Amino acid sequence: DVKVTQSSRYLVKRTGEKVFLECVQDMDHENMFWYRQDPGLGLRLIYFSYDVKMKEKGDIPEGYSVSREKKERFSLILESASTNQTSMYLCASSFQGRSNEKLFFGSGTQLSVL
Amino acid sequence: KQEVTQIPAALSVPEGENLVLNCSFTDSAIYNLQWFRQDPGKGLTSLLLIQSSQREQTSGRLNASLDKSSGRSTLYIAASQPGDSATYLCAVRGNQGGKLIFGQGTELSVKP
Repeated sequence: DVKVTQSSRYLVKRTGEKVFLECVQDMDHENMFWYRQDPGLGLRLIYFSYDVKMKEKGDIPEGYSVSREKKERFSLILESASTNQTSMYLCASSFQGRSNEKLFFGSGTQLSVL
Repeated sequence: KQEVTQIPAALSVPEGENLVLNCSFTDSAIYNLQWFRQDPGKGLTSLLLIQSSQREQTSGRLNASLDKSSGRSTLYIAASQPGDSATYLCAVRGNQGGKLIFGQGTELSVKP
């Protein structure tokens, strides 16, 4: 079974802190994604990556950056955390190609910024 | 711009009922459509993926259909059980590639 592991289940940080959210997948997937999920707003794509060292902005990249130094690991960085970044963060991965593009999600990180 | 809508936002049914969840999308030029399940406070689990050339996919008590021309997909759940209680989301990927566009989800409650 595919496993997408997010390093923290719950995280509490202070305004202005630099925050790292880590995601690791074990199925050699090319694609990796970071979403945030908020009540009433649904899932919104922050950043995605199709390959090592490659990144693309999603719908709401402001205030975030990402790093993909290895194929299995995709990190989301909050450069200076703000209270409006309090949210559930979900990492996902998938193969490329038409026949097997099922998206697999991690369990999520509930981040609170105080 | 693709928009995905799921109505109703919430649904409550007694155990044993067959039920249908709806998903509609505005741009019929899709690459594929996925249905997901999300339990409270958890990540999403992919249930079914339908390619643009397919009409339906089945997995156990679940059957998903796709009608691209009308911009609709349905998820049919047979003989519902309390363990089916969760939020169900659909998501479409457009032909231009890249990201999935998610609906807001339908929160299903199956009462014993």
